This record gives sequence, structure tokens and C-alpha cells, in this order.
Amino acid sequence: EAQVTQNPRYLITVTGKKLTVTCSQNMNHEYMSWYRQDPGLGLRQIYYSMNVEVTDKGDVPEGYKVSRKEKRNFPLILESPSPNQTSLYFCASSLKSLAGGSTDTQYFGPGTRLTVL
Amino acid sequence: AQKITQTQPGMFVQEKEAVTLDCTYDTSDPSYGLFWYKQPSSGEMIFLIYQGSYDQQNATEGRYSLNFQKARKSANLVISASQLGDSAMYFCAMREGVGTGGSYIPTFGRGTSLIVHP
Repeated sequence: EAQVTQNPRYLITVTGKKLTVTCSQNMNHEYMSWYRQDPGLGLRQIYYSMNVEVTDKGDVPEGYKVSRKEKRNFPLILESPSPNQTSLYFCASSLKSLAGGSTDTQYFGPGTRLTVL
Repeated sequence: AQKITQTQPGMFVQEKEAVTLDCTYDTSDPSYGLFWYKQPSSGEMIFLIYQGSYDQQNATEGRYSLNFQKARKSANLVISASQLGDSAMYFCAMREGVGTGGSYIPTFGRGTSLIVHP
């Protein structure tokens, strides 16, 4: 089954304790991205990756790191989490399709609800 | 400036009626794609419908249709015959540079909360 998986689904942690949220897709997609969702703000891009070893900042990258060592995995790293990073996080992937169309659709993971105390 | 604007924070509709959720966008790229996603209370993001900037006809997918008015830069989602299960957050999104190698990561609006009541 084609899917994007994220782990953990729920996490409560304390300020300053490094954490990693994993993301994996089994669709051989080139493009992967991380969003955070906050009430009234919709989804905002944190980082994205166009292929292995190619990453770039989105709209709200401060306090986050990513890596793309393999095509299928795109972990999100919070080196020193702070309470303002309490949010719902989504990983997404999509195909690199020069033809455009609905094949550009992003497939989303189930989300990770993070609380930083 | 916001690239995607959804002006309706919340909408109410009676079951079996049609509802239109507004979305306007801002881009100077002639090649772009517009998406609508549904997010039920369980949290997952569900793809609903896609419209390409060069598509001549409005996209339709079952009860969902996209009212694409290119000159006005609007891409409203129309849900016909609303069902109780349609109650959810709805997000409009745009990806620029479709088919030309632009950034492949869509930008999202802030969402509209739709409540369908019996």
C-alpha cells in the first residue's frame, strides 16, 4: 500500500531535549516536505527536499533541521525544542512530474502532534 | 503577501444542500496547479481535486467541482449535496511552475471549517 508514515504520532517532551520525527514514503517520490499546522495559520512549510542530499528552507525553518540521505526517508530534527514549536507536524511527498497535473498531488503522512513543555 | 487566501474561517450548510468554499490566489507564474484538501477531525489530509492553470474545463470529482476563474484568480470548491461526513477543515493550495521544474512544494491557505448540520 502506497503511504507516508510518520513516527511518533504523539510526543510530549520538555524544552531543550533533542528529538527526531521520522518520515518515510514507499512511493519512490523525489519530493518530500515538512509542514507545521497551527490554528488559524493553516499549513506552513518548514523544509523541503527535491531529491537525495538536496534540501531547502521553507517559510518557517528556524529551530529545525532535516536530512535526506536516502530517497525514502526525510527526518525532522529539533535540536533544542521550545514551547513555540508545539504544533501538528505533517510530512508529505510527491512525484517529480514535468507533465504537471494531478500527479503532482502531495501525499501526506498521518501527522505528529508535538507538545513541548 | 499571502499567495493563497481563504476568506471564510467557518461555513455552515444544511445536509443535502450545495456549498461553495472560496479560494483566491496570487501568482505571476503562467504555469501552476491548484489543489483542495480535506482534513477531518481525525487529522489526516485527504486530496480532493486538482486544477491546472492550462486546463480548459473546470475539474470535477464526484460531488466536488472546482469553479476556476482564471482572470479573477479564484478557485472555489463546490460541494454538491452536502453530507454530514463532509464536516471538516478544507484547505486550498497552489503549486507554481507546474511542468517547468519550479518548486514542487505547494503553499496552503489558512483553511475553512465546514460544518454540515442535519
